Amino acid sequence: QLQLQESGPGLVKPSETLSLTCTVSGGSISSGDYYWAWIRQPPGKGLEWIGKIYYNGGTFFNPSLKSRVTISLDASKNHLSLNLRSVTAADTAVYYCARQGSLATDYWGQGTLVTVSS
Amino acid sequence: EIVLTQSPGTLSLSPGERATLSCRASQSVTSNYLAWYQQKPGQAPRLVIYDASIRATGIPDRFSGSGSGTDFTLTISRLEPDDFAVYYCQQYASSPNTFGQGTKLEIK
Repeated sequence: QLQLQESGPGLVKPSETLSLTCTVSGGSISSGDYYWAWIRQPPGKGLEWIGKIYYNGGTFFNPSLKSRVTISLDASKNHLSLNLRSVTAADTAVYYCARQGSLATDYWGQGTLVTVSS
Repeated sequence: EIVLTQSPGTLSLSPGERATLSCRASQSVTSNYLAWYQQKPGQAPRLVIYDASIRATGIPDRFSGSGSGTDFTLTISRLEPDDFAVYYCQQYASSPNTFGQGTKLEIK
């Protein structure tokens, strides 16, 4: 059974960089069948797609965040990472990692709340 | 960017009733790459329908999806207490893979 687990600081100061890791177990992120995505959800609001990465490093990003976002894969550790630079309070959200393939987004992590505050 | 608009924002129904949720796209969704997700408080979303009309693994047959092009519908034929949640549509035909703003299905 595929499992995804997000980890990282729960509190980030404004103007700093938010860094999260998603560890994948029960499957390989090097499989060519899937993208690996980051999605976020501000408290009490809807879902926002941040971007996705393919096993060969190819990426797609939400244009609204593209200038501040980096997504990378580490096949040796079977995990993916998210860096979001120059954060503000508007970046406070639950951040999810997920598997995205021909069956849409079929596996999700439990999510991790990141609060941007001084 | 494809904008998805869901309606209604909130739907108040009783168990046993039929629920019809709408998702309208600002442009045609290629190959009907449209999914529906169910989200309960404090939980990650759960895939319900993909490719507009195919039920995901483990989803009961009271859930059905239909539509093509720009207009899509999620129907729950006979609501059970466990079905009350927020439902989101998402298109994965083109990047960015946008979500609708959600429909809250609440108990009347």
